[in-house]
Amino acid sequence: NAGVTQTPKFQVLKTGQSMTLQCAQDMNHEYMSWYRQDPGMGLRLIHYSVGAGITDQGEVPNGYNVSRSTTEDFPLRLLSAAPSQTSVYFCASSSQGYDQPQHFGDGTRLSIL
Amino acid sequence: LAKTTQPISMDSYEGQEVNITCSHNNIATNDYITWYQQFPSQGPRFIIQGYKTKVTNEVASLFIPADRKSSTLSLPRVSLSDTAVYYCLVGAVYSSASKIIFGSGTRLSIRP
Repeated sequence: NAGVTQTPKFQVLKTGQSMTLQCAQDMNHEYMSWYRQDPGMGLRLIHYSVGAGITDQGEVPNGYNVSRSTTEDFPLRLLSAAPSQTSVYFCASSSQGYDQPQHFGDGTRLSIL
Repeated sequence: LAKTTQPISMDSYEGQEVNITCSHNNIATNDYITWYQQFPSQGPRFIIQGYKTKVTNEVASLFIPADRKSSTLSLPRVSLSDTAVYYCLVGAVYSSASKIIFGSGTRLSIRP
């Protein structure tokens, strides 16, 4: 099983450029989320979705957009990249339920110059 | 939102038992307690989950007191490969307002 797949694994952008980080899961999970992890830090929630067509903001949503048109995909868009968005981005998914752990992708390492 | 507090770092030696405690004073009735392990350059990986009392699997045990305001992850006979960051999470995806918040984690270093 593929689980949670993130693409690309690495990306370098210039300030002001836009891009989309892709996340796909094949487990039919309702819940999906995006986190960023800065060096030596924990994960901070950017946006999350509890199902197709439903998204909401996390702790650090500014500068990012999401949409959830299908159950499988949850892309994260950087509208105008800034050096402060240099980070490792993780996508996760889980079933809904009180006892459902999250499954994480391998991350996208993003550098903004 | 249930906030968690963990030690920033811990050191131990191979073959020892390691206990990492997490405080979560405002845990909600339906919240489960979940622990994740993260190695460098990888996403977090599920280790163990519990609601109350004790849970044990092939890699760890989780102890939860009756008031559920804290929990302790126990790693028996650690090895060098257990060097990682360990995160304690409290919460669950059960409503449209669900937010699963990670804390800063505990950086565990195992020495020979």
